[in-house]
Amino acid sequence: DSGVTQTPKHLITATGQRVTLRCSPRSGDLSVYWYQQSLDQGLQFLIQYYNGEERAKGNILERFSAQQFPDLHSELNLSSLELGDSALYFCASSSGTGRGYTFGSGTRLTVV
Amino acid sequence: GQNIDQPTEMTATEGAIVQINCTYQTSGFNGLFWYQQHAGEAPTFLSYNVLDGLEEKGRFSSFLSRSKGYSYLLLKELQMKDSASYLCAVRYSGAGSYQLTFGKGTKLSVIP
Repeated sequence: DSGVTQTPKHLITATGQRVTLRCSPRSGDLSVYWYQQSLDQGLQFLIQYYNGEERAKGNILERFSAQQFPDLHSELNLSSLELGDSALYFCASSSGTGRGYTFGSGTRLTVV
Repeated sequence: GQNIDQPTEMTATEGAIVQINCTYQTSGFNGLFWYQQHAGEAPTFLSYNVLDGLEEKGRFSSFLSRSKGYSYLLLKELQMKDSASYLCAVRYSGAGSYQLTFGKGTKLSVIP
């Protein structure tokens, strides 16, 4: 157990639908990062939150949004889902000391 | 862009040594990480280099040359369980963000 908790582990939904992925960071970590990993792609950075505020944005589609709550858990919202959104979505957290971060076990999203 | 290049696939024999190379763009470099990822699982941290030279950790070592934009991960005494993807990731200086940019990974197959 890495200490980073992601739910759900698997999600199957239809095109056009909206889903919410949840992440609880490791205790004491203030930063949360969201990454998408498709079959042929590496880990693609989506967005980072630090202590409730958006800190950096990567290749995140306008249909996707995220937030970090006062208790530091984060949610990634994916809407108007397309087949191409099928991927593994990872959340990672860090303490901000700069030595890398710890990943959750991921949510496998399948859009049918 | 911040391309990170590493070989797509490698095969090595159990008990042997394998070196996985990674090249990256040097502008804004602020640290290099190696992660191991088994299929369908979360990446796990292996090593971190920010200064030139070799960092050794058991059977795994990682080398960095900042001037050349080059790193390698060295795996000794290969075991079957080392079959996995190995991800090279670089942290680039940003506005207070510690986001990592990942290569697409090198899939290592260890054969008997």
